[in-house]
Amino acid sequence: DAGVTQSPTHLIKTRGQHVTLRCSPISGHKSVSWYQQVLGQGPQFIFQYYEKEERGRGNFPDRFSARQFPNYSSELNVNALLLGDSALYLCASSRGGFSGANVLTFGAGSRLTVL
Amino acid sequence: KQEVTQIPAALSVPEGENLVLNCSFTDSAIYNLQWFRQDPGKGLTSLLLIQSSQREQTSGRLNASLDKSSGRSTLYIAASQPGDSATYLCFTGFQKLVFGTGTRLLVSP
Repeated sequence: DAGVTQSPTHLIKTRGQHVTLRCSPISGHKSVSWYQQVLGQGPQFIFQYYEKEERGRGNFPDRFSARQFPNYSSELNVNALLLGDSALYLCASSRGGFSGANVLTFGAGSRLTVL
Repeated sequence: KQEVTQIPAALSVPEGENLVLNCSFTDSAIYNLQWFRQDPGKGLTSLLLIQSSQREQTSGRLNASLDKSSGRSTLYIAASQPGDSATYLCFTGFQKLVFGTGTRLLVSP
């Protein structure tokens, strides 16, 4: 079985641009969550989704948005990019409910560099 | 606001030692607690999940305990090996999910 897949793996953007990151969960997993990991720090929670509904949100500005599709894949969108948005963006999937209630499987991440 | 702290921040030990990593959380209203390892530049690998009704969970050389009332979890690694070198992170929460500050472990041959 395929694991959690994220795309793109690396990308470079300039300040003010928009970025869309994609995540495909493990087959059978209905919950997806997103995290930002700045170099040298631990991951910070951004969003969690279950059955296409937002179940929780971290302390990130409204420039960050996400959605989950009927096939349980997910997109993370970031508008008006800032230099500080440069980070590894991680997606995790789990079987159901709240992400904190189940074993999470993480993707390898999308590394975003903002110039 | 849930805050999760891990001690020590870094640990360097010779191969074969038994070691304990600590995780403290401020809000005891947690669902579960999970331990992850992260290798440099890579994603996270789940090690153990302790449900809120459990006190302990074991997998191979790893044993994790959970004491909700005191807001603490420990990860015990027996007979450490160089391959155990990584950053270890605890993780908990409900609607808002929080990672601990991490412990960077180096096991030397």
